[in-house]
Amino acid sequence: ETGVTQTPRHLVMGMTNKKSLKCEQHLGHNAMYWYKQSAKKPLELMFVYNFKEQTENNSVPSRFSPECPNSSHLFLHLHTLQPEDSALYLCASSQKTGPPEAFFGQGTRLTVV
Amino acid sequence: GESVGLHLPTLSVQEGDNSIINCAYSNSASDYFIWYKQESGKGPQFIIDIRSNMDKRQGQRVTVLLNKTVKHLSLQIAATQPGDSAVYFCAETSANDYKLSFGAGTTVTVRA
Repeated sequence: ETGVTQTPRHLVMGMTNKKSLKCEQHLGHNAMYWYKQSAKKPLELMFVYNFKEQTENNSVPSRFSPECPNSSHLFLHLHTLQPEDSALYLCASSQKTGPPEAFFGQGTRLTVV
Repeated sequence: GESVGLHLPTLSVQEGDNSIINCAYSNSASDYFIWYKQESGKGPQFIIDIRSNMDKRQGQRVTVLLNKTVKHLSLQIAATQPGDSAVYFCAETSANDYKLSFGAGTTVTVRA
């Protein structure tokens, strides 16, 4: 248990569906991240939030829409996804002061059919 | 562009032997390096970190070495155990932006 909880753990959705991934951190961190992990590729940073403000969007398609209502919760809203979006989506959090290591959740395994 | 990468995608190790996992980085502005371990079905877990003003740091059964001259990072695992079987990632960042850049990972398999 790392203090970062992601739900659901697994998700299968059709290309016309709308779904949301949820992340909650219990570590008192003030930065949260979404990463995409595809097979045989490095982790790709998607979005960064610092103190609830989005500070980075790494050219992510608009079919992925993040939301950060407070510094403990992060969502990733999904709509009209493509099969190539199937991957493990990882949420992480870190503190903006002190060591910058990020703590990761267990991820949501997403399959788009 | 600049990136962090690992030399070998897979490593097979006999139980009880020492493991050495290598990583090459190219961003000379990075000043903080981290090793993560990812077991099957789990997210990456922090193992050990090292700052650019150090060349060696030891933890419990793990040692990280940093060679800034050749931009090389390594993770040594002593007396490798079956529970060490996982994918290992190196990551780099700087104190200014706190964004982690990850390499592709090395899959370590421990043979009984």
